[in-house]
Amino acid sequence: DAGVTQSPTHLIKTRGQQVTLRCSPKSGHDTVSWYQQALGQGPQFIFQYYEEEERQRGNFPDRFSGHQFPNYSSELNVNALLLGDSALYLCASTSMSAYTEAFFGQGTRLTVV
Amino acid sequence: QKEVEQDPGPLSVPEGAIVSLNCTYSNSAFQYFMWYRQYSRKGPELLMYTYSSGNKEDGRFTAQVDKSSKYISLFIRDSQPSDSATYLCATRLNSGGYQKVTFGTGTKLQVIP
Repeated sequence: DAGVTQSPTHLIKTRGQQVTLRCSPKSGHDTVSWYQQALGQGPQFIFQYYEEEERQRGNFPDRFSGHQFPNYSSELNVNALLLGDSALYLCASTSMSAYTEAFFGQGTRLTVV
Repeated sequence: QKEVEQDPGPLSVPEGAIVSLNCTYSNSAFQYFMWYRQYSRKGPELLMYTYSSGNKEDGRFTAQVDKSSKYISLFIRDSQPSDSATYLCATRLNSGGYQKVTFGTGTKLQVIP
């Protein structure tokens, strides 16, 4: 079982650019949540996707958008990058029906310069 | 008021000590309680998961939940240098087709040999 996989692992972008992060959930999981973790902080919930729809959203601007594909994988897109978007972006997968616990990927470390 | 409050530490203990990590939460609707361990620059790893009030033990780790006082704890017995990490408490709510997981800020633990 490959677990939750995220790509890329590291990324450096320039302010104002756009970025796409990718996540493949653990086998058997159908729900993907994205989190932003700034240095020294706990993960902050961005949004959750289930059945290819955004089901819940945290307090993040519309610059943050996402998508879920029929194979349950997901993308996080961030437009008009700001320096403050520099963080570790975590993807967590779970099963909506089985109420299993969330398993995290290793994260994508985004640096905006 | 944050939904989940956690002392950020850092907490430094000698090898072999008993470690007590604590969180409080404000929403009585939270149903599940988790502890994650996060090594530097890695994704969080699920350690313990509990549903009801009481204790749950797994090896050197014991998770305790007191729903009446909205207090959750993690005890680590015979602490080892390899336990040095940031420990995140989290609560989960299942509602209306989505799962909301809320994290504390994390407590950084250092176990000194």
